[in-house]
Amino acid sequence: AQSVTQLGSHVSVSEGALVLLRCNYSSSVPPYLFWYVQYPNQGLQLLLKYTTGATLVKGINGFEAEFKKSETSFHLTKPSAHMSDAAEYFCAVIPLNSGYSTLTFGKGTMLLVSP
Amino acid sequence: DADVTQTPRNRITKTGKRIMLECSQTKGHDRMYWYRQDPGLGLRLIYYSFDVKDINKGEISDGYSVSRQAQAKFSLSLESAIPNQTALYFCATALSTGLGGYTFGSGTRLTVV
Repeated sequence: AQSVTQLGSHVSVSEGALVLLRCNYSSSVPPYLFWYVQYPNQGLQLLLKYTTGATLVKGINGFEAEFKKSETSFHLTKPSAHMSDAAEYFCAVIPLNSGYSTLTFGKGTMLLVSP
Repeated sequence: DADVTQTPRNRITKTGKRIMLECSQTKGHDRMYWYRQDPGLGLRLIYYSFDVKDINKGEISDGYSVSRQAQAKFSLSLESAIPNQTALYFCATALSTGLGGYTFGSGTRLTVV
């Protein structure tokens, strides 16, 4: 079964620093890839997605992610962290050729931003 | 009004009780899902439905049942609640393939004592 690994359950950065959240998938056939964000006491919100086309994907709030097939990765970045970015981030996949079945999530990475 | 509405937002129930969590949507999406979130485990799929006549088990369906009453309504039942079903439950919807992304409700925090 397709799985998603997020390296680091918690990542701490200072305000203004680079944000890098790592995601790797386990499949020889690249899946469709997503990043979601969950702010405290809220549901999940789609940040960005890769299905086809350009491998560098831009999302909301200044985030972007790059699909790298050779590394089976889809890491999330933001050049300069803001206090409002503090949240939990989830990488997720829909396997290719699965009949577009369901979304499988990683275990999440909590982003902590300090002043 | 929210696109995906979950009720109740919070619920405390006793072991052995039957409880129903409800989800309704105004998105017009055909697909609906129930996920459970536990700290450190991410979200795990309980059940999903691609249309009113289609119900499928997810990764962790034991102890749960669902009903798709209409395209817009999808409810999750715990027939006999147990403490390890204490979790945050999310309903989500998607259009067609789901490649446009899922729309999530705000969640139901369930505590079984």
